[in-house]
Amino acid sequence: DSGVTQTPKHLITATGQRVTLRCSPRSGDLSVYWYQQSLDQGLQFLIQYYNGEERAKGNILERFSAQQFPDLHSELNLSSLELGDSALYFCASSVEGGSETQYFGPGTRLLVL
Amino acid sequence: DQQVKQNSPSLSVQEGRISILNCDYTNSMFDYFLWYKKYPAEGPTFLISISSIKDKNEDGRFTVFLNKSAKHLSLHIVPSQPGDSAVYFCAASSNSNYQLIWGAGTKLIIKP
Repeated sequence: DSGVTQTPKHLITATGQRVTLRCSPRSGDLSVYWYQQSLDQGLQFLIQYYNGEERAKGNILERFSAQQFPDLHSELNLSSLELGDSALYFCASSVEGGSETQYFGPGTRLLVL
Repeated sequence: DQQVKQNSPSLSVQEGRISILNCDYTNSMFDYFLWYKKYPAEGPTFLISISSIKDKNEDGRFTVFLNKSAKHLSLHIVPSQPGDSAVYFCAASSNSNYQLIWGAGTKLIIKP
């Protein structure tokens, strides 16, 4: 158990809908990262937050947004969902967000029908 | 441009033998390297890391070697066990970029 929690574990929705994925980092970690893993593909970095502020942006679509709240939990919002958004979404956390180990949550499996 | 490359999509090793997973990188600014293990439908699990000031780091059955001049690192698992069957990802970062840059992964299969 990494100490990073993600909810929900599974999510099934329809095209055009909007969903919110939630992540709680390990106790003491200030930085949160979001990744997407599509079928049989590697991890794609989406976005990073550090202590409530956006720090780095990767391959995140404009239809997606995220935020980190004062209690350091983070939410990833996916809107106008398309079939191709079906994937595993992982959250990771680290202490400060630099060159250091990231610890991953169990992921949320999103299925868009 | 892939800055971190794992050129072997899969590797099959006999139980008890040594597994060697390889990773190459192109960015000389990388100063921290990590290996993660991932089972299907689970989050990656951190295995071992190495800073660029070292050339070897060992943790139990796992050893990571770093060759900076060749921009190459490898993960050795010895002896290999059935539970080691998973996808292994190499990742790298630098202090100038907060992202971890990931390789595509190598699927390791341990044969009984």
